Amino acid sequence: DARVTQTPRHKVTEMGQEVTMRCQPILGHNTVFWYRQTMMQGLELLAYFRNRAPLDDSGMPKDRFSAEMPDATLATLKIQPSEPRDSAVYFCASGSDKQGPLNTEAFFGQGTRLTVV
Amino acid sequence: AQSVTQLDSQVPVFEEAPVELRCNYSSSVSVYLFWYVQYPNQGLQLLLKYLSGSTLVKGINGFEAEFNKSQTSFHLRKPSVHISDTAEYFCAFMNRDDKIIFGKGTRLHILP
Repeated sequence: DARVTQTPRHKVTEMGQEVTMRCQPILGHNTVFWYRQTMMQGLELLAYFRNRAPLDDSGMPKDRFSAEMPDATLATLKIQPSEPRDSAVYFCASGSDKQGPLNTEAFFGQGTRLTVV
Repeated sequence: AQSVTQLDSQVPVFEEAPVELRCNYSSSVSVYLFWYVQYPNQGLQLLLKYLSGSTLVKGINGFEAEFNKSQTSFHLRKPSVHISDTAEYFCAFMNRDDKIIFGKGTRLHILP
């Protein structure tokens, strides 16, 4: 059963602490997206990667957020230092463009619910 | 700027009644269009997509959507809703850079 796996599912941390969220894309997928979901802003695209290279991270606050793909099976989103306004659900999604443009769908993980107190 | 507008943040509907969730997009170039559904405490799941061809697209769970290029709309419809359709629905498009841009969502409430 192919699925995108995100860990942890829930994270509560104190302001100023580092937070790392992990995502395992579906095997064989070469595109990974990071989204942040809040009540006020809805789903915001933070960054996305193709073949492990960042294509666009313009939606991400650069001073505290960083996203990487150490290898094809792992994507990470790090916040350092974390702030209460970072509290949100962070979703990872993966897809494939191997049959042409990335026009099939993005498969979403269950999300990481982050609470910064 | 490219964007997706979902005109209704919440839509209450009686069970077995029809529903339409509205979506308009803004883009100067051709895009691919999607509807996703999010059940409570879950990730997003694809309902249907429009890539090309027939403007009426059928998806899972009895949903369908119609692409209207002149009105830049992609409204989602279901002829008869069920209590299990209670969820949040997101319209989205993919641009030429393969970025997927989402609307703010419409929460569908099914009334008994």
